[in-house]
Amino acid sequence: EPEVTQTPSHQVTQMGQEVILRCVPISNHLYFYWYRQILGQKVEFLVSFYNNEISEKSEIFDDQFSVERPDGSNFTLKIRSTKLEDSAMYFCASSSPTAGYNSPLHFGNGTRLTVT
Amino acid sequence: DAKTTQPNSMESNEEEPVHLPCNHSTISGTDYIHWYRQLPSQGPEYVIHGLTSNVNNRMASLEIAEDRKSSTLILHRATLRDAAVYYCILRDGVSGTYKYIFGTGTRLKVLA
Repeated sequence: EPEVTQTPSHQVTQMGQEVILRCVPISNHLYFYWYRQILGQKVEFLVSFYNNEISEKSEIFDDQFSVERPDGSNFTLKIRSTKLEDSAMYFCASSSPTAGYNSPLHFGNGTRLTVT
Repeated sequence: DAKTTQPNSMESNEEEPVHLPCNHSTISGTDYIHWYRQLPSQGPEYVIHGLTSNVNNRMASLEIAEDRKSSTLILHRATLRDAAVYYCILRDGVSGTYKYIFGTGTRLKVLA
């Protein structure tokens, strides 16, 4: 069964550094998402992306965050200047348009970001 | 998105059925009921969804109350691998939003 893959599985960075988290969504999916989960807390929506532009974003997704689909397969999340509170598990997800608004989200297994 | 209420935790014995409840008294007519689960150290995983009628798939069954103010996810025979956090999520089927808002879910413990 096709799956969403995320790299790296664990990223350690120093406060103030830029970090790029990478995702390869399922190949025929057209909607892409980033979520994050701080340890012991809820899974929080960050952003959704369709047709090469952001379709929705949460309050968490401020100017320090950006997303890009640089080629036909990758979907990236960039944090420009990391803060300690950015430490979390970041999940990428994708969905197919065939079932409309009820298309299930397929999640990757996440990248654990640790900011020191 | 309309709010859902789930018990914080539940326990089940292995090989027995599990009924995971969800209350959603403010559900609107166009809200679909979705269930996801999150196994330890993994991303969330789709389980099942429905609107009005009960639904079955290879993973689970979804029973929806006639007034749609509550629903129950049924795992027919719990295994140790079903230990996870189960999330009940409402999504408007016509609003144009594709995002899912996760709550705190029910942590299911399966006893051997």
